[in-house]
Amino acid sequence: AQSVTQPDIHITVSEGASLELRCNYSYGATPYLFWYVQSPGQGLQLLLKYFSGDTLVQGIKGFEAEFKRSQSSFNLRKPSVHWSDAAEYFCAVATNTGGFKTIFGAGTRLFVKA
Amino acid sequence: DAGVIQSPRHEVTEMGQEVTLRCKPISGHNSLFWYRQTMMRGLELLIYFNNNVPIDDSGMPEDRFSAKMPNASFSTLKIQPSEPRDSAVYFCASREGFVATNEKLFFGSGTQLSVL
Repeated sequence: AQSVTQPDIHITVSEGASLELRCNYSYGATPYLFWYVQSPGQGLQLLLKYFSGDTLVQGIKGFEAEFKRSQSSFNLRKPSVHWSDAAEYFCAVATNTGGFKTIFGAGTRLFVKA
Repeated sequence: DAGVIQSPRHEVTEMGQEVTLRCKPISGHNSLFWYRQTMMRGLELLIYFNNNVPIDDSGMPEDRFSAKMPNASFSTLKIQPSEPRDSAVYFCASREGFVATNEKLFFGSGTQLSVL
């Protein structure tokens, strides 16, 4: 069965510093991969997605993610973090087997210090 | 479009009471998902529907939970009887296609459920 692992429960970075959030997935075939962001009291919003082509994908708000098949990873990066990026980030995988469902990781909460 | 609409935003109830959460997906979307979010377990998929038909309810924790989608514009998640461990944020999400899983989910704002 497919699964998503986000090994970091929370991360703290200084404003202006670079960011990398880790995501590993387990799935037999080529997955569809997503990163979502959740601000406090809100639902999830899509940052970016990958399903084919260039393994480096660009998203909104200056985020990017790189798909590495050999490592089963889809890490999210941002070169310079802003205080408004403080939120919870979820990696997700969607599959075309077993009914086309989307499974989420446990999330990583990002804290930004001044 | 108003987006995915969930009601109520907050629900406080006593153990043993019936709780009904409601969701209106985005018009024209074919798939609807119910998720539960807790600190301990993160975001769990409970059940999802394609064209109003339940496809996979393996995430529903137990028989106390039930979900329906009587038409394309409305779904309910019911807990009867409720227990304190059901306290969580429940999200509804919809997706335009049911085959194209590369499409994104649109989430509602969630229902914060507290069972005392």
